[in-house]
Amino acid sequence: DADVTQTPRNRITKTGKRIMLECSQTKGHDRMYWYRQDPGLGLRLIYYSFDVKDINKGEISDGYSVSRQAQAKFSLSLESAIPNQTALYFCATGSGGLRTGELFFGEGSRLTVL
Amino acid sequence: RKEVEQDPGPFNVPEGATVAFNCTYSNSASQSFFWYRQDCRKEPKLLMSVYSSGNEDGRFTAQLNRASQYISLLIRDSKLSDSATYLCVVNMQHSGAGSYQLTFGKGTKLSVIP
Repeated sequence: DADVTQTPRNRITKTGKRIMLECSQTKGHDRMYWYRQDPGLGLRLIYYSFDVKDINKGEISDGYSVSRQAQAKFSLSLESAIPNQTALYFCATGSGGLRTGELFFGEGSRLTVL
Repeated sequence: RKEVEQDPGPFNVPEGATVAFNCTYSNSASQSFFWYRQDCRKEPKLLMSVYSSGNEDGRFTAQLNRASQYISLLIRDSKLSDSATYLCVVNMQHSGAGSYQLTFGKGTKLSVIP
């Protein structure tokens, strides 16, 4: 089983719909992240969390919200999806200190908003 | 100036060749540096952490030049399986935020040709 699991892996939805992407991990890491990847733009940070009570905005948080339900779970919501949120979304986990930057990614969730 | 810049490539090299990628970063206060590998339609995976003046892992050598604010990745004796996109990642302080965040370059694509 994968250490970082994302669901769903693929989703097609319509403009205005609410979408939730879920992420769970068995690495025991405190830190969890949500990124989106677009062709030619690289990985961009949406939100991150350093523990259950900690939520921080990343570079492109507008239009997104997150919930850290437990140490092992971090979900990303699009309250009202729009076409420019079509992208590949990655969840990642990691520890801090000297290992900050050593991230473990899920396999990705490909979202298409029509 | 973009925060982390990489030549997008593609670099098309024959098997057995030596290839080098450079990555420049804008913030001299950056703390730590990493190379990730991403196969087509897959998640990024950590290839190497780059510490102090650099390090070597088999055919891969990473170098850091803080004075010139760049890191490099050298691959010797290229294999077909090395074909992937290589992402440069820098843990840098973001202006106004005070906190350190990981910033990803857009990646350099490598194709190793038989």
